[in-house]
Amino acid sequence: DQQVKQNSPSLSVQEGRISILNCDYTNSMFDYFLWYKKYPAEGPTFLISISSIKDKNEDGRFTVFLNKSAKHLSLHIVPSQPGDSAVYFCAASVETSGSRLTFGEGTQLTVNP
Amino acid sequence: NAGVTQTPKFRILKIGQSMTLQCTQDMNHNYMYWYRQDPGMGLKLIYYSVGAGITDKGEVPNGYNVSRSTTEDFPLRLELAAPSQTSVYFCASSYSPNTNYGYTFGSGTRLTVV
Repeated sequence: DQQVKQNSPSLSVQEGRISILNCDYTNSMFDYFLWYKKYPAEGPTFLISISSIKDKNEDGRFTVFLNKSAKHLSLHIVPSQPGDSAVYFCAASVETSGSRLTFGEGTQLTVNP
Repeated sequence: NAGVTQTPKFRILKIGQSMTLQCTQDMNHNYMYWYRQDPGMGLKLIYYSVGAGITDKGEVPNGYNVSRSTTEDFPLRLELAAPSQTSVYFCASSYSPNTNYGYTFGSGTRLTVV
């Protein structure tokens, strides 16, 4: 039972354009959502998060949007840079669960110069 | 500041062998986790710990054991290795049960069982 799904295994964009990565979830108990970025041969690194009481959170070039009614979140990267090329994982948790995270499958983002 | 350190980085095991994946963190984090990542799949939680002496099962605990005798160390034991345990293993730690702090991950251990 995949509770967090990233339906696009890969995404390719041009440098300077917007990258939009999508994530859907099925468990209505999830109340915190995070995005992680992973380079080859490294562990994932925390990028940005959003609480279910908000619908948007911004940090520099990265913005996460949450649509609770649709059980959908997205990560926008503007402008995209070649160094953003990595695998992006969406994750979700129930705050009372001891911060255990449920991860999506990941989306490989390639930003072309 | 080393963060989360995992050893070894790579290992090949024969079916039926056992091994321990080591994980150490120097951030005084109470919460620690073991995840595995299979190709094309997300990270699946194996075991987690909310403090020294306290561990609990995650989503995919079968074939694994853990212990947490100190705050710093959270080793993962594989008994009777099977090909299905071929995966990349990530250890992570967290300061708080509140997920807005995120996890700090180690760089992973790539395990192949042949």
